[in-house]
Amino acid sequence: AQSVTQPDIHITVSEGASLELRCNYSYGATPYLFWYVQSPGQGLQLLLKYFSGDTLVQGIKGFEAEFKRSQSSFNLRKPSVHWSDAAEYFCAVNAGNNRKLIWGLGTSLAVNP
Amino acid sequence: GAVVSQHPSRVICKSGTSVKIECRSLDFQATTMFWYRQFPKQSLMLMATSNEGSKATYEQGVEKDKFLINHASLTLSTLTVTSAHPEDSSFYICSVRGTQGSTDTQYFGPGTRLTVL
Repeated sequence: AQSVTQPDIHITVSEGASLELRCNYSYGATPYLFWYVQSPGQGLQLLLKYFSGDTLVQGIKGFEAEFKRSQSSFNLRKPSVHWSDAAEYFCAVNAGNNRKLIWGLGTSLAVNP
Repeated sequence: GAVVSQHPSRVICKSGTSVKIECRSLDFQATTMFWYRQFPKQSLMLMATSNEGSKATYEQGVEKDKFLINHASLTLSTLTVTSAHPEDSSFYICSVRGTQGSTDTQYFGPGTRLTVL
């Protein structure tokens, strides 16, 4: 069965530090992968997505993610975190012909000043 | 990406009443819309998928008679929570997937916070 795992429930980083949020997936075919961010009480905003091609994808707000097929991973990175990046981050994989999204449980990011 | 709105953003109602939540795709022809429910500090739970002009497809465990979904046009879908009870209190989020550009990307509304007293 398809699944998405975000191993880190909660991460705290200092402002200006680098960030990596982990995402592993289980899916039989080539997946379509997404990262979304959710600020408190808000809906979700698409940060970036991978469908095919270059395995390093650039997104909004200075985020990037790298698809590694051999590791079944799609980790999200940012070189220097800003206080406004504090939010909940969700990884998702598009699975099946009906194109439903399979969601990870999310990683809550806190940023220390 | 698409701009999606939801109305209302917040609603409080009495137990036993019905509440309608609107989801509008403002700049995007949404052939497919999704309705999600999110509990505090948890991930999203897909409730149903609706295609314009067709009946919604509900996920297992979601009562279709309690959560009525109408997708009457390419820009509007509504979710009606009928005879609401306190356990229906939640954050409801819609998303759209369209015909132009990437058909495999969902764009989300800002969500509706429902509180049933």
